[in-house]
Amino acid sequence: DIQMTQSPSSLSASVGDRVTITCRASQTISDYLNWYQQKPGKAPKLLIYAASSLHSGVPSRFSGSGSGTDFTLTINSLQLEDFATYYCQQSFSAPAYSFGQGTKLDIK
Amino acid sequence: QVQLQESGPGLVKSSETLSLTCAVSGGSISSSSHYWVWIRQPPGKGLEWIGSIYHSGSTLYNTSLTSRSTISIDMSKNQFSLKVTSVTAADTAVYYCARHSIIMLREAGLDYWGQGTLVTVSS
Repeated sequence: DIQMTQSPSSLSASVGDRVTITCRASQTISDYLNWYQQKPGKAPKLLIYAASSLHSGVPSRFSGSGSGTDFTLTINSLQLEDFATYYCQQSFSAPAYSFGQGTKLDIK
Repeated sequence: QVQLQESGPGLVKSSETLSLTCAVSGGSISSSSHYWVWIRQPPGKGLEWIGSIYHSGSTLYNTSLTSRSTISIDMSKNQFSLKVTSVTAADTAVYYCARHSIIMLREAGLDYWGQGTLVTVSS
């Protein structure tokens, strides 16, 4: 099974900051990488699919990059509503499209 | 607008079977562009993929749960279901159903989710 490792596990930032979260796969997954945002008590929401494609309705301050084993999620000009937990997920290797352990982004 | 809604008992006794259903509205479960997925999240922890089903009935399961999990689909009711047998406290989690989309033959992520339902396993 493919293991997904995110760093950092937690991160403090201020409104207006630029933030980068990293996700590393235990083997190459091409660009089969998705990013989700989850707020407390809510279901995750899809932000980015295929490493860099912005899901419909997601603000353009979110962007993704990478291929192979190393990927990043960047949030430009953090807004108050962006403080949440972020997960990466590989969709390259079935049967389980595994998730990273999550990165909690909170207010500094 | 596509909506998914989980339903089922919120409390299950240890060693018994957990059964959940996900009703899909605003879209057809027989779509060839989507898979239907179950995911769970233990309290305070991360997301775990349980398994998926296609409208053909073809299923895939996480190897950690394959011996205890069954996902089925009912196209007449536009819903799909999950059963997990021999549950223990480790199966206590919020269970989500979700839609996994395929766009131009490419995986395109889990684009619609149910609100989630907490299932607690009691001894």
